[in-house]
Amino acid sequence: GENVEQHPSTLSVQEGDSAVIKCTYSDSASNYFPWYKQELGKRPQLIIDIRSNVGEKKDQRIAVTLNKTAKHFSLHITETQPEDSAVYFCAASISGAGSYQLTFGKGTKLSVIP
Amino acid sequence: DARVTQTPRDKVTEMGQEVTMRCQPILGHNTVFWYRQTMMQGLELLAYFRNRAPLDDSGMPKDRFSAEMPDATLATLKIQPSEPRDSAVYFCASGLDSSYGYTFGSGTRLTVV
Repeated sequence: GENVEQHPSTLSVQEGDSAVIKCTYSDSASNYFPWYKQELGKRPQLIIDIRSNVGEKKDQRIAVTLNKTAKHFSLHITETQPEDSAVYFCAASISGAGSYQLTFGKGTKLSVIP
Repeated sequence: DARVTQTPRDKVTEMGQEVTMRCQPILGHNTVFWYRQTMMQGLELLAYFRNRAPLDDSGMPKDRFSAEMPDATLATLKIQPSEPRDSAVYFCASGLDSSYGYTFGSGTRLTVV
């Protein structure tokens, strides 16, 4: 089955700096890569996703890049703010035949220091 | 905003007792997932349903866990008998074939003492 590795497990940045979280996946058939943000005591929420037919996607201060050849994808947060502090999960999905279960990375705890 | 509704929000029970968690997926969503979250293991897929049919429950301990979807508006996850190692947050999520992303419920925090 699919295996997703996520690094780093913890990340501290100064407010205003950029944060980068990286993930690798094992199955070349994976074609959908979402990122979820989970604040303390709350549910994971989808913040951005990318499909295998594009290499980069941006949404305001958040961007995701995908390298299918190397089987890795990254989340970039620019101009970080204290409210960006949370645990971020990457995931990968093998879609097809009605199956699109997500395999999650272990998460990255991001702390933005004011 | 459409929401996935999970009940109860918190559950404390004694070892050996039966626990039932419920999930109401977003209306129109045809795929429902159950995940368990712990500090050590992160988010683990327990089971999922598509059009109410179970597709994969390989992540679920079969001897004590069972998942069902009696109708399109209700999914249940049952643990019998419960054990302290089952203590975790259990999330339900729902999605739709035509899109890949799905929405999580607020979770049930289970504590087995």
